[in-house]
Amino acid sequence: SQTIHQWPATLVQPVGSPLSLECTVEGTSNPNLYWYRQAAGRGLQLLFYSVGIGQISSEVPQNLSASRPQDRQFILSSKKLLLSDSGFYLCAWSGGNNQPQHFGDGTRLSIL
Amino acid sequence: SQQGEEDPQALSIQEGENATMNCSYKTSINNLQWYRQNSGRGLVHLILIRSNEREKHSGRLRVTLDTSKKSSSLLITASRAADTASYFCATDFQGAQKLVFGQGTRLTINP
Repeated sequence: SQTIHQWPATLVQPVGSPLSLECTVEGTSNPNLYWYRQAAGRGLQLLFYSVGIGQISSEVPQNLSASRPQDRQFILSSKKLLLSDSGFYLCAWSGGNNQPQHFGDGTRLSIL
Repeated sequence: SQQGEEDPQALSIQEGENATMNCSYKTSINNLQWYRQNSGRGLVHLILIRSNEREKHSGRLRVTLDTSKKSSSLLITASRAADTASYFCATDFQGAQKLVFGQGTRLTINP
């Protein structure tokens, strides 16, 4: 069966520090991969999605970047975190267009 | 905005009652999906209904889709305390490779 792993579960970082969040999927090949951010009590904002290795689509201009170095690995990065980067970050995968998405357990990021 | 919008934003009912949540959207879709999120966790997929379908069932869940009104509803029958969660609709727009999520309905089931 397919599984998705996202880590760390929580992270506290100072303003101006770098960030790297990792997401890996097992049990499937060539998944679509997604990074979302969720503000407290709100819906999901799509940040990046990828339909293949090295293919990244950015949804909103921001302080973040994403990379897909391997088929089932999706990384969210920042060179310098801002206070506004705080939030709940969720990774998801799907089997393709018109398919359900399957989410990791999320990373709670707090910027001090 | 192409975003789906849920209504109500919050709903509190007694255990055993039925809960109905609604979702509206603005442009043509391939499908509409409903997700559930327990506090502090990731989202869990509940049901996917395609644009050519009008109703779908899964256990105590019933989803309807009215493409002429660009709206969908999620009905949870015989609610349980464990159904307490936030529920989101997400639309898969034609020509897109992504979902657009609404702001969610926060459902509380009182024992």
